[in-house]
Amino acid sequence: GAGVSQTPSNKVTEKGKYVELRCDPISGHTALYWYRQSLGQGPEFLIYFQGTGAADDSGLPNDRFFAVRPEGSVSTLKIQRTERGDSAVYLCASSLTSQAGANVLTFGAGSRLTVL
Amino acid sequence: AQSVTQPDIHITVSEGASLELRCNYSYGATPYLFWYVQSPGQGLQLLLKYFSGDTLVQGIKGFEAEFKRSQSSFNLRKPSVHWSDAAEYFCAVAKYNNNDMRFGAGTRLTVKP
Repeated sequence: GAGVSQTPSNKVTEKGKYVELRCDPISGHTALYWYRQSLGQGPEFLIYFQGTGAADDSGLPNDRFFAVRPEGSVSTLKIQRTERGDSAVYLCASSLTSQAGANVLTFGAGSRLTVL
Repeated sequence: AQSVTQPDIHITVSEGASLELRCNYSYGATPYLFWYVQSPGQGLQLLLKYFSGDTLVQGIKGFEAEFKRSQSSFNLRKPSVHWSDAAEYFCAVAKYNNNDMRFGAGTRLTVKP
């Protein structure tokens, strides 16, 4: 598509529930990134994919968070046993590749997650 | 690891006035530096980037930024602010391969009529 698409745009869930957030990157972009933005903060890196594999998942806060990109395009961020502290806007970005500084990230509008 | 500090949480300027948003970074090697703007309900939009070469970089919407290695700074400037520039501005620094971009906490810009 023309831009990075994220669904849902808003998600309200109860503590302890399971949540999936979807990201559809720009067509042809091989690198895909997930960030989390809490209120009043800058985006915080979670994980990035080069193709189908997670090249760096060092930003995932704990093992309740998991992300996949099985076919190298769409990615899903999965959060198990949600906690109130998981409430944030989850941003997805993609770039043509992850190499060098020549490529820049294009961000989606984000998925706002609220855990009650 | 790299990090970014944006000292000003909130800045208010009058329409037509000049603007400078401060950004200081910490990174051991040559940094890749970025400024993004975020309007309410919108995704982050890239204003400009610095990778190498000329330390004064021009971006979209009339913005420019200057990389000063000696001061570890990458301040964003605009000579005349428009009401539509009201938004949140984020400075970011990345490693050479872009896989771990670190953002500052942001500066919220309010534009007075």
